[in-house]
Amino acid sequence: GEDVEQSLFLSVREGDSSVINCTYTDSSSTYLYWYKQEPGAGLQLLTYIFSNMDMKQDQRLTVLLNKKDKHLSLRIADTQTGDSAIYFCAERGAYSGAGSYQLTFGKGTKLSVIP
Amino acid sequence: EADIYQTPRYLVIGTGKKITLECSQTMGHDKMYWYQQDPGMELHLIHYSYGVNSTEKGDLSSESTVSRIRTEHFPLTLESARPSHTSQYLCASSESELAGLLRTDTQYFGPGTRLTVL
Repeated sequence: GEDVEQSLFLSVREGDSSVINCTYTDSSSTYLYWYKQEPGAGLQLLTYIFSNMDMKQDQRLTVLLNKKDKHLSLRIADTQTGDSAIYFCAERGAYSGAGSYQLTFGKGTKLSVIP
Repeated sequence: EADIYQTPRYLVIGTGKKITLECSQTMGHDKMYWYQQDPGMELHLIHYSYGVNSTEKGDLSSESTVSRIRTEHFPLTLESARPSHTSQYLCASSESELAGLLRTDTQYFGPGTRLTVL
């Protein structure tokens, strides 16, 4: 079965880089996602990476994928207080029919940014 | 930018009441989902739909029911609310999007409904 693991908490100082790590078990995963959830809100898609890529960069965000170790990371450069949120890693997992795939989510990493 | 809406955003209700949580999206997505998010942050899929007149149960057993009469609308109903139903409920929708040679199935989420049953 699929399983996605994340550490639950991360605390960084404003201006430092944050690195949020995730491991997954389904080696056939083709897409891996990072979502951000601010307090009281839904999940906001930050970025996704296709499994044939090692890295994807989008402004302050860098996603690194190590397929051999099934390890995904999200690096946030110059972390700001507005980055404080819960970050979810998700893998596209089992085919659920009718052209649809389910997502398997990690439990989320709560990032706290210290001013 | 996703256009997916949930109402109400917050609901406090007594035990035994019937409630319906609304979810609608204006993107024409075929697939829609309901997740329950517990206080420990973990997301659990409770229902999903491939399209009109299609509904499926998710990984987590739920006493709620859903319907999909229109593409844009996917309401979730609890016939008799109990304190154990207190949770955050998140609705999402997706459509296969071409990314290179393959299609993703990126899910876009609504803002959520925080339900408290007293």
